[in-house]
Amino acid sequence: QKEVEQNSGPLSVPEGAIASLNCTYSDRGSQSFFWYRQYSGKSPELIMFIYSNGDKEDGRFTAQLNKASQYVSLLIRDSQPSDSATYLCAASGNTPLVFGKGTRLSVIA
Amino acid sequence: DAGVIQSPRHEVTEMGQEVTLRCKPISGHNSLFWYRQTMMRGLELLIYFNNNVPIDDSGMPEDRFSAKMPNASFSTLKIQPSEPRDSAVYFCASSLGGLRTDTQYFGPGTRLTVL
Repeated sequence: QKEVEQNSGPLSVPEGAIASLNCTYSDRGSQSFFWYRQYSGKSPELIMFIYSNGDKEDGRFTAQLNKASQYVSLLIRDSQPSDSATYLCAASGNTPLVFGKGTRLSVIA
Repeated sequence: DAGVIQSPRHEVTEMGQEVTLRCKPISGHNSLFWYRQTMMRGLELLIYFNNNVPIDDSGMPEDRFSAKMPNASFSTLKIQPSEPRDSAVYFCASSLGGLRTDTQYFGPGTRLTVL
């Protein structure tokens, strides 16, 4: 059973702080990793994807991948109240995406 | 550009009735995915199509669920007969091609309530 695990939260951070979201996956064959953001009552939207070990930065967002530890993370710098949402981690190899249940982030103004 | 289109956006039905959910993928996308999302189980893949052909339906919960993709611009997910435990948000997503690297774009979802 391929699984992606996330802490359900809620994770509360003050405005301007760094939010750190973590994810582990069970399938060592997973090669691609995605972070989706889902606002309440809305559909998931892609924030970032990462394929290689290390860090990938896009604006205020940094994705980190450690394949040896089967660990993916998302850092959000200078968190804003508009970042409050559920963040879904997903992994795929030669099979479709497997999603985690998501971490709810609350940024307090 | 139009994104993934789903209809209806909300559906309320009674147990035992047939329910049909519809999806129009983004033009030019070759892969289509149906998901179900609940608080308890999160986002679950039900079935996916590539070039209109069902590739993996192992996520379809039981024989009451069926999906078709008669052409590149239309897909349906049917539940017959519906049960209260089918209440969930059903998302359709499409991607340009390959599974490993292509971004999936989600439709707005259909919120299904079975009474």
